[in-house]
Amino acid sequence: AQSVTQLGSHVSVSEGALVLLRCNYSSSVPPYLFWYVQYPNQGLQLLLKYTSAATLVKGINGFEAEFKKSETSFHLTKPSAHMSDAAEYFCAVGFGNEKLTFGTGTRLTIIP
Amino acid sequence: GAVVSQHPSWVICKSGTSVKIECRSLDFQATTMFWYRQFPKQSLMLMATSNEGSKATYEQGVEKDKFLINHASLTLSTLTVTSAHPEDSSFYICSAPRGVGTDTQYFGPGTRLTVL
Repeated sequence: AQSVTQLGSHVSVSEGALVLLRCNYSSSVPPYLFWYVQYPNQGLQLLLKYTSAATLVKGINGFEAEFKKSETSFHLTKPSAHMSDAAEYFCAVGFGNEKLTFGTGTRLTIIP
Repeated sequence: GAVVSQHPSWVICKSGTSVKIECRSLDFQATTMFWYRQFPKQSLMLMATSNEGSKATYEQGVEKDKFLINHASLTLSTLTVTSAHPEDSSFYICSAPRGVGTDTQYFGPGTRLTVL
């Protein structure tokens, strides 16, 4: 069975500061890992994905994540937060065309 | 890029009525689509896997007779909430993987269902 744990249901950072959203996974086989962003009353937009290629993955809007097998982690980072980054972020594990298992989400608030 | 649409985007209905939600892949064919449910301020929970030309596969605890899924074509899956009750009020989101062996699912914008 696969599972994802997101540490911190709410994260607040100042505009321009580093964004760090944590995700740890559990999987019996090498996983595919995803970060999605959700704006209010909208569906999910893919930020980035890890599919067993490069461990440092760059996504849209300046986000990136590093797959660390030894730590079973896939934390999401952005060097400088922007007001438009305020949203809900979900980490997910799965295999492409199979069902995804989502974490509980982290709400990111940007402080002006 | 791949686009998945949902209709309607929001719906309000009376208790006891049935509501149909459509999920369409606009520029690709999807033999499989997934239906998720999201309660306020919570994560997405998979309800069922919709398979074109065959029966849907439901997750444990999801009533298949209440949440009817029909995947009538390679671009359309429908979720019908039958005899809706207030506890069925939720945000329903569908997703579709693009192509066989793909590593990415594309999500629809979601449908907000409110049952009075």
